[in-house]
Amino acid sequence: EVQLVESGGGLVQPGRSLKLSCVASGFTFSNYGMNWIRQAPGKGLEWVAYISSGSSYIYYAETVKGRFTISRDNAKNTLYLQMTSLRSEDTALYYCARLRRTYFDYWGQGVMVTVSS
Amino acid sequence: DVQMTQSPSYLAASPGESVSISCKASKSINTYLAWYQEKPGKTNKLLIYSGSTLQSGTPSRFSGSGSGTDFTLTIRSLEPEDFAVYYCQQHNEYPHTFGAGTKLELK
Repeated sequence: EVQLVESGGGLVQPGRSLKLSCVASGFTFSNYGMNWIRQAPGKGLEWVAYISSGSSYIYYAETVKGRFTISRDNAKNTLYLQMTSLRSEDTALYYCARLRRTYFDYWGQGVMVTVSS
Repeated sequence: DVQMTQSPSYLAASPGESVSISCKASKSINTYLAWYQEKPGKTNKLLIYSGSTLQSGTPSRFSGSGSGTDFTLTIRSLEPEDFAVYYCQQHNEYPHTFGAGTKLELK
């Protein structure tokens, strides 16, 4: 069974940093591109970042480019999102999602990040 | 970025009825349109991809249609477990973008 379990969320002050993790199981992690997607309270879904299976290709949403870094450790079956210079508008539930071809076929349950003083 | 306009935002229906949800893209996305279901306490579920291809495990009462800019998700003969929030998403180009969602409620 495919499982994606996010962790690392919490309350953080504006301007500070936070690192999210997503541990994958039930499939060969190193064969799939992975994504972070977020949902602000009461808002829709927003794609945040993508990393290819071997980390050769990385894309970011314009709203996070230069502040967030996506990475992965295939030996640990883990996806990461390093978030710096956090803003109140980054407050959201962050999901990791597996990419199959060009769509997201499995999602995690999400981890909440709250940016507030 | 491709803007996705989903309608209606809310939809009330009864079990056994059929409903349709519309999703319009701001430019052609060929058939690269996916539909997801969101339910409390569960992970988001991929229902349909490439406009009309059912993901493994998606009941046949779900169907997707459309190409270019106009797409539709139809659920025939609603079951109690179908009451949820549905999102469309274009997977033709980055950044992948989503519709605002449709909440399907029990009438």
